[in-house]
Amino acid sequence: EPEVTQTPSHQVTQMGQEVILRCVPISNHLYFYWYRQILGQKVEFLVSFYNNEISEKSEIFDDQFSVERPDGSNFTLKIRSTKLEDSAMYFCASRVTSGKYHEQFFGPGTRLTVL
Amino acid sequence: EDQVTQSPEALRLQEGESSSLNCSYTVSGLRGLFWYRQDPGKGPEFLFTLYSAGEEKEKERLKATLTKKESFLHITAPKPEDSATYLCAVQITSGTYKYIFGTGTRLKVLA
Repeated sequence: EPEVTQTPSHQVTQMGQEVILRCVPISNHLYFYWYRQILGQKVEFLVSFYNNEISEKSEIFDDQFSVERPDGSNFTLKIRSTKLEDSAMYFCASRVTSGKYHEQFFGPGTRLTVL
Repeated sequence: EDQVTQSPEALRLQEGESSSLNCSYTVSGLRGLFWYRQDPGKGPEFLFTLYSAGEEKEKERLKATLTKKESFLHITAPKPEDSATYLCAVQITSGTYKYIFGTGTRLKVLA
């Protein structure tokens, strides 16, 4: 069964460093999303991406964040200069394009720890 | 403001003790409501999609229902392996299909 994959599973970084989180969405999906979940809190939307551009972003997704689809399979989230409060689980999700089916399928997440 | 509220926050059941989880929502326009299961340290696992009031979906011991203001996830005769956090998410009619999540219900089923 096709699934969304994410690497690495755990990333530890120093405050101020850049990190890139990687995702491989399900192959026939064309809408991609990043969400984050701070420990003990709810899952929060960060950004949606379609047709090689950002289609919507939340207040959390400020200038320190960027997304890219560098090739036909990968979808990345870059945090330019990490802060302590960026520590969270980051989930990638993807969705088919059919108007009838809106469910998103989530990857296993990357746990980001900023020291 | 669009909001999703889940209750209870936590629920402990004995194996075989049926119960229901609630997801109430206040949104500008509902495109769809989704139930997910999340195990510790894992990503949300898709369970159900509901689109209109009166709709019901079933899968094994789980049944999801939808009204104009809330959704219920009924768990019939749960087993310990049903222990997880159950997340409710809504999509609103404006925007790009992003989810607005509730805080989840942590379910523990005791053997």
